[in-house]
Amino acid sequence: SSVLTQSPAVSVAPGKTANITCGDYDFGRRGVHWYQQKPGQAPRLVIFYDSDRPSGIPERFSSSISGDTATLTISRVEVGDEADYYCQIWNSSSDHWVFGGGTKLTVL
Amino acid sequence: QVQLVQSGAEVKKPGASVKVSCKSSGYTFAAYDIHWVRQAPGQGLEWMGMINPYNGVTKYAQTFKGWVTMTRDTSTQTAYLDLISLKSDDTAVYYCARYPGTSTYFDHWGQGTLVTVSS
Repeated sequence: SSVLTQSPAVSVAPGKTANITCGDYDFGRRGVHWYQQKPGQAPRLVIFYDSDRPSGIPERFSSSISGDTATLTISRVEVGDEADYYCQIWNSSSDHWVFGGGTKLTVL
Repeated sequence: QVQLVQSGAEVKKPGASVKVSCKSSGYTFAAYDIHWVRQAPGQGLEWMGMINPYNGVTKYAQTFKGWVTMTRDTSTQTAYLDLISLKSDDTAVYYCARYPGTSTYFDHWGQGTLVTVSS
């Protein structure tokens, strides 16, 4: 099991806000990153270093860290946002990379 | 544009070996580490290890040490993942991903290669 804890599933209605958490970890200054994975596709980076977005990712995607929990927030959720979302960190102690268990976002 | 194109799906019998390739284009191959990530059916992402294409230095997750080998061919800008002594629970999609060395995230991914291990 991952050291990064994610809720298995989140459901939200279109137009509402989805919050996906990644927790129980001392993120410190190392940064947390988020990936979106749609069925049959490779993961896609949507947030890096806590809150930066790659080009092409809408401003509706944002992230924050509070204490030992990181949260990916998707505002004005669209049907096309339905996917699995994974958080990821680099563990400097082990020099290994770690993914959270993933959260399935369902848009009702 | 940056592209990572992986080899096609494989079906192997238990005990066999498989080699998955990841051909890079659109950037300087030697300048970015390549990481490999496994995803079993219906499961999450699992980091396997990485290779530095410049000097060939590798690093493996403990789970994969001893039965996984990562190599590269700089002349063809291709990274390889060798899996030996395959078992049925090695059935998974294997992804390569580019790693900007000054960061800690993966910015481009291959399309994935499904390896099915079945007798």
